[in-house]
Amino acid sequence: DGGITQSPKYLFRKEGQNVTLSCEQNLNHDAMYWYRQDPGQGLRLIYYSQIVNDFQKGDIAEGYSVSREKKESFPLTVTSAQKNPTAFYLCASQTTSGYSYEQYFGPGTRLTVT
Amino acid sequence: RKEVEQDPGPFNVPEGATVAFNCTYSNSASQSFFWYRQDCRKEPKLLMSVYSSGNEDGRFTAQLNRASQYISLLIRDSKLSDSATYLCAYDSWGKLQFGAGTQVVVTP
Repeated sequence: DGGITQSPKYLFRKEGQNVTLSCEQNLNHDAMYWYRQDPGQGLRLIYYSQIVNDFQKGDIAEGYSVSREKKESFPLTVTSAQKNPTAFYLCASQTTSGYSYEQYFGPGTRLTVT
Repeated sequence: RKEVEQDPGPFNVPEGATVAFNCTYSNSASQSFFWYRQDCRKEPKLLMSVYSSGNEDGRFTAQLNRASQYISLLIRDSKLSDSATYLCAYDSWGKLQFGAGTQVVVTP
């Protein structure tokens, strides 16, 4: 089955701890994205990567870090510097061939920090 | 002005009726528009892509109005299973900008 997987589905952490969210895709897509979604708000872009070993900050990158060592994987670390980390985190991927900007999402990780 | 604006709803629609709602966008240069469907506590799923004036897929029709900078989604013959939040998105300088979504509730 081709798709995007995110793990875990639910994650609970204590304030002050760093946490890493996993995102893997086997769609052979070049570009990958991390968004966060808060209740009643649209998706906000955290980081994105259009090629291995390269990534760019999105609109709300502060308190987050990423790596892109493999085409299939784009893990997101939520650091203790992130002021309001509790949110629904969504990973997406997109092919960069042609003019298609269609993004496909993983099932998401719901992070709760107390 | 926000990049993308949507009426949050909810739009309460009797089963079998037609419902339509709009999404306004700010980047007049955009060429690519999308409607996603998101069920409660799930990920958005791509419903329709629009690269020209519009697109139709079964009961769903999207229309793009470039002059007024909005895109609409129309759902005909609404089913109970159409109840969801519909997010619009458009390409803005290589990144997708998402609206907060319009909630549709189809009632028996």
